[in-house]
Amino acid sequence: QKEVEQDPGPLSVPEGAIVSLNCTYSNSAFQYFMWYRQYSRKGPELLMYTYSSGNKEDGRFTAQVDKSSKYISLFIRDSQPSDSATYLCAMSLGQGGSNYKLTFGKGTLLTVNP
Amino acid sequence: GAGVSQSPSNKVTEKGKDVELRCDPISGHTALYWYRQSLGQGLEFLIYFQGNSAPDKSGLPSDRFSAERTGGSVSTLTIQRTQQEDSAVYLCASSRQGGNQPQHFGDGTRLSIL
Repeated sequence: QKEVEQDPGPLSVPEGAIVSLNCTYSNSAFQYFMWYRQYSRKGPELLMYTYSSGNKEDGRFTAQVDKSSKYISLFIRDSQPSDSATYLCAMSLGQGGSNYKLTFGKGTLLTVNP
Repeated sequence: GAGVSQSPSNKVTEKGKDVELRCDPISGHTALYWYRQSLGQGLEFLIYFQGNSAPDKSGLPSDRFSAERTGGSVSTLTIQRTQQEDSAVYLCASSRQGGNQPQHFGDGTRLSIL
């Protein structure tokens, strides 16, 4: 079993739709959770950075972490064609140990159609 | 241009040649990371620098891979006697400190081994 599982898609939605992206993980020691957006031939861009369980909102983006289920989500409201990209979840351990090392999902390719 | 800068953006070389990839982190960031992104494998951790020292080299795939960082700033990743399986995008990231600090990525070097 991979440490982090992410449906690769592709996911295609109409403009204005609410998008839900998800990852599951197996290591209960993960404490920090991130979502990155990656455009074609570009590096990953940090969108959301959260610690432990709960919700975090930033504009049209909401990140949710459910540690009891080992499940994280990213919601995009009022999706735009410019949101078309690959979305990567990433996570790291808490204090101590190799907590600098990010473990990534393989990414979900999203297309928002005008 | 205050982001992570990587060069070259693309590199094509023949099997058996040595290559050197360069990363210039965000000014003031003491921690620097190299990752590799290949089709089917996603993003994989290679090495972590704190200042000029590399406390974690555990992700380097073989002894053909080495990295150094000088002056607490620029880092080079060297691959000797390249093989076709080394073809991938090599990504560099930096953060203010090590540990659970947000990592910011450059656009990577796309390496193709013929």
